[in-house]
Amino acid sequence: GDQVEQSPSALSLHEGTGSALRCNFTTTMRAVQWFRKNSRGSLINLFYLASGTKENGRLKSAFDSKERYSTLHIRDAQLEDSGTYFCAADRAGGYKVVFGSGTRLLVSP
Amino acid sequence: EAAVTQSPRNKVAVTGGKVTLSCNQTNNHNNMYWYRQDTGHGLRLIHYSYGAGSTEKGDIPDGYKASRPSQENFSLILELATPSQTSVYFCASGDAGQSSYEQYFGPGTRLTVL
Repeated sequence: GDQVEQSPSALSLHEGTGSALRCNFTTTMRAVQWFRKNSRGSLINLFYLASGTKENGRLKSAFDSKERYSTLHIRDAQLEDSGTYFCAADRAGGYKVVFGSGTRLLVSP
Repeated sequence: EAAVTQSPRNKVAVTGGKVTLSCNQTNNHNNMYWYRQDTGHGLRLIHYSYGAGSTEKGDIPDGYKASRPSQENFSLILELATPSQTSVYFCASGDAGQSSYEQYFGPGTRLTVL
């Protein structure tokens, strides 16, 4: 079935640094959504992209349907960015989305 | 703004007991979903619905039932709860538009089955 490979599974950053998360798809996806699960367990909707890039503050996401991947870049990481990040992608014509396994991000002083 | 609410937010149940998780959305979305999220896993789809009166099995439906009595409400029912069903459950709503398929999530329900 459709799969989403998310990497890395865990990431540690010092405050002020940055990195990128990546999701690779085994098939062509119509769109991708990125979430953060915070310390209270709530899912925060970060981005929804059908193509190209979007930026919001210190976060930037890109989606390339043809090359079957999406990235989430975090710059100038802050302590409150800690949490688990998920990507989810949906296939054209489908009613379901497929989730990556998550990236646990820990930002330390 | 999109609003999906869940109740209860936390629940402790005993093995063999019945548990009902409720979800309400005010987005007027046709589709609603129930997922569970466990450490090391992405969200896994349990049941979903295309609209009032419809329920469909997701990827891991065993041990769960669902009910969609109205556009706004979608319930997840555990008739005989087991410890393996201890998890965090998320409800979501979305529309099956051709150009957009964003999902809006509720705050989650933490269920512990003892």
